[in-house]
Formats: sequence, structure tokens, C-alpha cells
Amino acid sequence: AQTVTQSQPEMSVQEAETVTLSCTYDTSESNYYLFWYKQPPSRQMILVIRQEAYKQQNATENRFSVNFQKAAKSFSLKISDSQLGDTAMYFCALRASNDYKLSFGAGTTVTVRA
Amino acid sequence: GAVVSQHPSWVICKSGTSVKIECRSLDFQATTMFWYRQFPKQSLMLMATSNEGSKATYEQGVEKDKFLINHASLTLSTLTVTSAHPEDSSFYICSAPRRGGSYNEQFFGPGTRLTVL
Repeated sequence: AQTVTQSQPEMSVQEAETVTLSCTYDTSESNYYLFWYKQPPSRQMILVIRQEAYKQQNATENRFSVNFQKAAKSFSLKISDSQLGDTAMYFCALRASNDYKLSFGAGTTVTVRA
Repeated sequence: GAVVSQHPSWVICKSGTSVKIECRSLDFQATTMFWYRQFPKQSLMLMATSNEGSKATYEQGVEKDKFLINHASLTLSTLTVTSAHPEDSSFYICSAPRRGGSYNEQFFGPGTRLTVL
């Protein structure tokens, strides 16, 4: 069984500032992928960033970066230079490398203030 | 990038009627598709895995006779909510993994908002 935990229901950040979203997980799989998805008010799910568990280097996509701590089973997302368009619900997700089924966390609502 | 569509985007129906929601992969073949249900400000709850040419696999607690899934082709899966009741009102999302590449990226449909009166 896989579990993903997001302990921050809501976060607020000033435009241009940095915000970090936390995520912890549990899995018995040795090979797996971790993801952060964004769901804006339109409710379309958008992939923000992914991390292969076998890679030690933290993934980065423009203003989005992760801090992957495999031993601690932690996968946090940092949003730098926050923009109003970053306002959305963010979901941490996990899947085994040999499966397509995703396990989602409860989500964190991020509000960027002007 | 790959696109997954859903139709309709919004549907209102009367209690007791059935509603069909379509999920299409527009530029790739999907032997597997997933159906989720999402309540406001909550996470996506996996309902079932749709398998082309075979029966769907339902998650525990999901009534298979209530939520009928048909995956008749490599690009189309349908979810039929039978005898809908107000408690079935929700946002339904489908997703499809595109095989190939390094990690088989999963693509999500835009969702269908169902309101049962």
C-alpha cells in the first residue's frame, strides 16, 4: 500500500516571494516516481514536476524545485518568485515504476497575494 | 503535448436518470484509463481502472453496478452513472497514461461536473 501525506491544507504567499509545500510518503516499492500536480480554478490537472526515486539529484523546472529526501520519505515543493497564476491547489502524488496507478495526497491550496 | 478530452464538461440531470461521461485520448492510444471523483477542496479519489477490451477494476467501496465503465476502443472510455441521485453530484476526472518514453506520463481530462437534482 502507498500513502501520501500533505499536512498543510492552505498556504498564502506574497507575490514574488517563495513558498514551500511539504509532502511525505510511504511505499514498499524500490522503484517509484513522485509528482507534484497543480489544479488551478479551472480544475485541469497540470503536471508541475516529477522525480525518479533512483535519481539523487533534485528535479527543477523553472521556478519550481523539489527537495527529495529518500531516506526520510519526504518530497517538498518550492515555488520561487511566486506569481498570481500560481494560485491553485497542489497535489503530491506517487506511483510505482511498474504501475500506472497514482496515489494522491490531500492537497494544499496555495493563494498568491498581490 | 498529449491531450485527453472529456464530454460533457457539465451536465445536470434529474434524480433517477442515467448519465454517460466520455473520456477520449486524442493523439495516443490508451489501453488503460482511470476514473476519479473529486469533491470541492478535496483530493482525487480513484474510482476504477478502465481496461480496453476487458472488465474495469473497481476500487473498494465503489459500486460497479452504479458506475458502469466501458472501454470499447483504444481511445475511448465511458463512465455511466446509473440511477443518479443528488449524492452522486461531483466532479469526475479521467486520466490516461501514454506508454513509451521514460516514465509513461499520465494525462488528465478537464473533468465533468455532474449535478443531480
